Amino acid sequence: AQKVTQAQTEISVVEKEDVTLDCVYETRDTTYYLFWYKQPPSGELVFLIRRNSFDEQNEISGRYSWNFQKSTSSFNFTITASQVVDSAVYFCALSVREYGNKLVFGAGTILRVKS
Amino acid sequence: GAVVSQHPSWVICKSGTSVKIECRSLDFQATTMFWYRQFPKQSLMLMATSNEGSKATYEQGVEKDKFLINHASLTLSTLTVTSAHPEDSSFYICSARGAGRGLGNTGELFFGEGSRLTVL
Repeated sequence: AQKVTQAQTEISVVEKEDVTLDCVYETRDTTYYLFWYKQPPSGELVFLIRRNSFDEQNEISGRYSWNFQKSTSSFNFTITASQVVDSAVYFCALSVREYGNKLVFGAGTILRVKS
Repeated sequence: GAVVSQHPSWVICKSGTSVKIECRSLDFQATTMFWYRQFPKQSLMLMATSNEGSKATYEQGVEKDKFLINHASLTLSTLTVTSAHPEDSSFYICSARGAGRGLGNTGELFFGEGSRLTVL
């Protein structure tokens, strides 16, 4: 079975604080992809990153960074120096070859950044 | 990047009517399209997978006769909510995967803007 757990339902931070969104996944397949998406209040899903199961290198893109650890089945997302525009719902998702590469989403984490 | 467009963005209809939502891949051919449903403050739940020229594959618990999916061309899939009722009110999102795009077998997924359906 495939499952994505985002234990943090909602996080509130003050602007310029760093914030980490947790994501833990479950799959028996050895070939899979992990994703993070942002959903602002307007509703559309914005693709942030895709990582395949064979690449455990951490990635940094501007203020965003991702920590992929297969040993703990986690794919955490950190925003450095958060801004009000970062306020959104963030979804972690898993795509597994065995499941036809369909995306399974976590419950999402609401991030509120206050000025 | 590739663009997936949904239409309409929002629709309000009376109970008992049918509503059609279109999902178009604007600059690539989408061999597979997925339809998701999102209730307020909840995650996205996959409803069905549609492959061009064949019948859609529905997830468990999704009524095939209620949610008709047609993927007649490589750039268009439609979701028709038949005899809509208030409980069908939701945010519907499509995603498209192009042939040969992205990494390995996955292909990159591109999401539409979503369509908000309100049934009175």
